[in-house]
Amino acid sequence: DQQVKQNSPSLSVQEGRISILNCDYTNSMFDYFLWYKKYPAEGPTFLISISSIKDKNEDGRFTVFLNKSAKHLSLHIVPSQPGDSAVYFCAASVVTNAGKSTFGDGTTLTVKP
Amino acid sequence: DTAVSQTPKYLVTQMGNDKSIKCEQNLGHDTMYWYKQDSKKFLKIMFSYNNKELIINETVPNRFSPKSPDKAHLNLHINSLELGDSAVYFCASSPLSINEQFFGPGTRLTVL
Repeated sequence: DQQVKQNSPSLSVQEGRISILNCDYTNSMFDYFLWYKKYPAEGPTFLISISSIKDKNEDGRFTVFLNKSAKHLSLHIVPSQPGDSAVYFCAASVVTNAGKSTFGDGTTLTVKP
Repeated sequence: DTAVSQTPKYLVTQMGNDKSIKCEQNLGHDTMYWYKQDSKKFLKIMFSYNNKELIINETVPNRFSPKSPDKAHLNLHINSLELGDSAVYFCASSPLSINEQFFGPGTRLTVL
């Protein structure tokens, strides 16, 4: 039972444009969501998060949107840069069970110069 | 000054062998984790330790045994290795009750 899904395995975007990465979840108990970025041969690094009491969180070029009714979140990167090329993982957790994050299977983003 | 380190980075071994992967974090975090990333790229949690105490133990074969000598270390010992154990294993840590985790660089295990 895959509770967190990233249906697009890959995304290619031109430098300067917007990148939109999507994530869907099925468990309505999830109330905290995170995005991680992973370069080859490295571990994932935390990028941005959002609590279910919000519908938007912004940090520089990165914005995460949460639609609880649709059980959907998205990560927007504007403007996209070649250095953003990486695998992006969506993760979901229950705050009262902090530490147990369920990960999606990742979306590979390629930003072309 | 690596925050979460794992050794070895690569491990190639024969079926049936026993091997260990070590993890150390110098962030002062209370909680440490082991994840397995298989060929389908899913990151699945295996174990979580909070201050040397096991708090999460997902459905993992008994051949996998985590050991935490202190809160800065969480080692993973695997007995009787099987072909299906081939994967990248990531160690991670986080402060108590905080969801964001800090990952190590991963250990690529190949079982021949």
